[in-house]
Amino acid sequence: SYELTQSPSLSVSPGQTASITCSGDDLGNKYGSWYQQRPGQSPVLVIYQNIKRPSGIPERFSGSKSGNTATLTISGTQTMDEADYYCQAWDTSTGVVFGGGTKLTVL
Amino acid sequence: EVQLVESGGHLVQPGRSLRLSCSSSGFTFGNYIMNWVRQAPGKGLEWVGFIRNKAYGEATEYAASVKGRFTISRDDSKSIAYLQMDSLKPEDTALYYCTRDGSNGYYFFDYWGQGTLVTVSS
Repeated sequence: SYELTQSPSLSVSPGQTASITCSGDDLGNKYGSWYQQRPGQSPVLVIYQNIKRPSGIPERFSGSKSGNTATLTISGTQTMDEADYYCQAWDTSTGVVFGGGTKLTVL
Repeated sequence: EVQLVESGGHLVQPGRSLRLSCSSSGFTFGNYIMNWVRQAPGKGLEWVGFIRNKAYGEATEYAASVKGRFTISRDDSKSIAYLQMDSLKPEDTALYYCTRDGSNGYYFFDYWGQGTLVTVSS
């Protein structure tokens, strides 16, 4: 079955840039999305189709891809950005797949 | 305003059945693929399955972990999606989210409900 791999945790200081990565076989040929989940809340879509940002999502959130690795970049990270972040893609054999999640700590 | 409201979750014994509902408003329900995603306590997100809209024959797809036990259906006249869960196992214990697919064929979830908790335990 298809898998997406994320690092379990990342820590940054306020104002720094946070780069969260997601890797998977042939991810370069798939559309990827990213979700933010703050403690006790439902996930929120922050990036879709690799690079697009939904309305209402701050411009400091951006998505990119290089080869089979997708990256969510948060520029000028704020304390309110502390959350779990999940990447997600569609695989024709497995269906919708989520990465294991990255816990972002801002301190 | 798009709203998704799940209901029906509660404590159930292993082997029993449960049906969850997702009541939707604020958009043309019949135009969208609807998904269910779950999250076990303290764990990550796991896709459960989806149902396409009528234009695509209301076709369904499921994760391997629930295929043959779970069934997704929809009632476009009521703007409700359902998740029928049979032969429940303790590992099905999770918060179940209803989500809307943001664009037919691109498989991303632009709106999520607040979730309904299913606990499978004797």
